[in-house]
Amino acid sequence: DSGVTQTPKHLITATGQRVTLRCSPRSGDLSVYWYQQSLDQGLQFLIQYYNGEERAKGNILERFSAQQFPDLHSELNLSSLELGDSALYFCASSVDQLANTGELFFGEGSRLTVL
Amino acid sequence: AQTVTQSQPEMSVQEAETVTLSCTYDTSESNYYLFWYKQPPSRQMILVIRQEAYKQQNATENRFSVNFQKAAKSFSLKISDSQLGDTAMYFCAFTVAGGYQKVTFGTGTKLQVIP
Repeated sequence: DSGVTQTPKHLITATGQRVTLRCSPRSGDLSVYWYQQSLDQGLQFLIQYYNGEERAKGNILERFSAQQFPDLHSELNLSSLELGDSALYFCASSVDQLANTGELFFGEGSRLTVL
Repeated sequence: AQTVTQSQPEMSVQEAETVTLSCTYDTSESNYYLFWYKQPPSRQMILVIRQEAYKQQNATENRFSVNFQKAAKSFSLKISDSQLGDTAMYFCAFTVAGGYQKVTFGTGTKLQVIP
């Protein structure tokens, strides 16, 4: 158990809909990362938050947005969903950036299926 | 921008044999971390091994070891005495040392251990 909790584990929805994925980082971790893994693909970096502030942005679509709340949990919002958004969405957290060793602790992922 | 390349989409190895997975990366930074993550069918991402760029000694974790060639920007993973439980996707990853740095992943190598 990595200590990172993601909900829901599975989600099936229709095109055009909006969903919210939730992540609770490990206790004490201030950084949260979101990655997208499409079928048989690598992990595409979407966005990173540190202590509530956006720190880095990757290939995140304008239809997607994220935030990190004061209690450090994070939400990834996906709107106007398309078939191509079907993927496994991972949240990961890491230790305080001053002691950053680069290691990420991953949740089990949220499997999104858009029909 | 940093890139990570894994040129072997799939590999197989007989149980108890040794296999080497390749990874190359590109960066202009001098201080960074390299990782190998394992993603078994359960899809949980698990850190296998980490290498700090300023350390010349290759990292070792039980049956897993790396061959880190900094000048060549190469970071291969050797798995000795392969076990059925080693069957998984293996991702090479890179991050610049210091805070606020995202982790960049390669596209992965699917390893099948054959009984």
